[in-house]
Amino acid sequence: QQQVKQSPQSLIVQKGGISIINCAYENTAFDYFPWYQQFPGKGPALLIAIRPDVSEKKEGRFTISFNKSAKQFSLHIMDSQPGDSATYFCAATGGYNKLIFGAGTRLAVHP
Amino acid sequence: EAGVVQSPRYKIIEKKQPVAFWCNPISGHNTLYWYLQNLGQGPELLIRYENEEAVDDSQLPKDRFSAERLKGVDSTLKIQPAELGDSAVYLCASSLGGPGANVLTFGAGSRLTVL
Repeated sequence: QQQVKQSPQSLIVQKGGISIINCAYENTAFDYFPWYQQFPGKGPALLIAIRPDVSEKKEGRFTISFNKSAKQFSLHIMDSQPGDSATYFCAATGGYNKLIFGAGTRLAVHP
Repeated sequence: EAGVVQSPRYKIIEKKQPVAFWCNPISGHNTLYWYLQNLGQGPELLIRYENEEAVDDSQLPKDRFSAERLKGVDSTLKIQPAELGDSAVYLCASSLGGPGANVLTFGAGSRLTVL
C-alpha cells in the first residue's frame, strides 16, 4: 500500500515532442505528489508538485495531471528539449514528511 | 545560498571495512534525511531527523548502520562493517518544518562501491 508505481521505465522523445510519465498509488492517505528531476551525478531536484484538491498544475512546459478517483497522476513535458534528458521520479507522501518514490523514468530527448 | 553538502562524493572500500558519510544541510532546515538510492531505482528513506532527534529510523539496518545528528545541524551516516550489497548512492536531504516540510532539497550524494 506504500508503493508508487511508475511507468515507463525509459522513454525516447524527439525534440519538440510531448513526454508523458505516469504514476499510480494505492494509499488514499497520500496528499502531496511531487515530481523530481535527476541528472547524472546529481541529487534529485524538485520540479513540480500537486495536492489532490486540484486536477492539474502547470509550470512552464511542465504539467501535472491528477486523477484522484483513479489514484493516478502524470507528468507532461511539452516541447521537450535535449536539456530535459534526465531521470524523473514521481513521489507521494501522506504526512510525517515520508516521501515514497517511484522507480524512475529515464527520458532521452533526441535532437 | 549553499545547498546540501555531502562528502565524500565517492568512496571505494573492501567489504567488512567501515565507512562514514557526512552531510551539512541548508542553514535553518530542521529536518534532515538520509536516503539510499540503488542503481536504477528511486531513493528509499533510511532515517529522518527533526533537529537532533531521529523520528523515523524504521528502514535503517541497525545491525550495521548508524547515524547521528549532533547539535541538530550536521549529520553522519556510518556503515560497519560494509557488505557488497551496500554499494549504492547515499543521499542526504533537508527541509524546513511547517508548510515547507514536504519540499526536500537533496545533496549530490555519496557513491559507495564495496569490493
